[in-house]
Amino acid sequence: QITLKESGPTLVKPTQTLTLTCAVSGFSINFGGVGVGWIRQPPGKSPEWLGIFYWDDDQRYSPSLRSRLTITKDTSRNGVVLRMTNVDLVDTGTYYCARTSSDDILRGGWFGPWGQGILVTVSS
Amino acid sequence: NLLLTQPHSMSEFPGKTVSISCTRNSGTFAGDYVQWYQQRPGSAPTIVMYDNNQRPSGVPDRFTVSIDSSSNSASLIISGLQTDDEADYYCQSSDGNNVVFGGGTKLTVL
Repeated sequence: QITLKESGPTLVKPTQTLTLTCAVSGFSINFGGVGVGWIRQPPGKSPEWLGIFYWDDDQRYSPSLRSRLTITKDTSRNGVVLRMTNVDLVDTGTYYCARTSSDDILRGGWFGPWGQGILVTVSS
Repeated sequence: NLLLTQPHSMSEFPGKTVSISCTRNSGTFAGDYVQWYQQRPGSAPTIVMYDNNQRPSGVPDRFTVSIDSSSNSASLIISGLQTDDEADYYCQSSDGNNVVFGGGTKLTVL
């Protein structure tokens, strides 16, 4: 059974760096064709794609957030890590990681399954 | 920039059929497929249709997708509505530069 689980702080202050970890089970992030993406959802709004990390260490990012995002591999936990710098109040929301078997999500593909999500609040 | 537009809300009675539209402002669904997710309150989205008209295992065949190339839109069609279908539905697609979700449609089963 494939599962993903997000972990990290639930409260961060403006200008700080947010670091979230996605631990996966039931598949290896080193397996060919696999990608783990990050998607966030502000309260009451639709999901927003942030970026993706592929099995071959390739990464893709949302154009609007690229300058603030880094996604890396956490081999010890068979997962990926999302780092978002200089957070602001508008970054408040539920952050999800999700698996894709698409080899290029920018040309098509879907996410599933998703983790349960972690609600991150940005507040001073 | 790619934009996917969905109706904010829809409602229908049990047993009836509802069609949720998703219109893109650039590109085509023939070139960049549409995906559909269902999200119930307090839960993560789950895929209900992928790559335009493919149905994942476990999703009932009451769920189908229609593509209208003339209006550059896709529609998620749910027939034989059940109370369990009440949820938010999101379309998702890409344009080679970004992955975009629609604004979502809140479906109420009356």
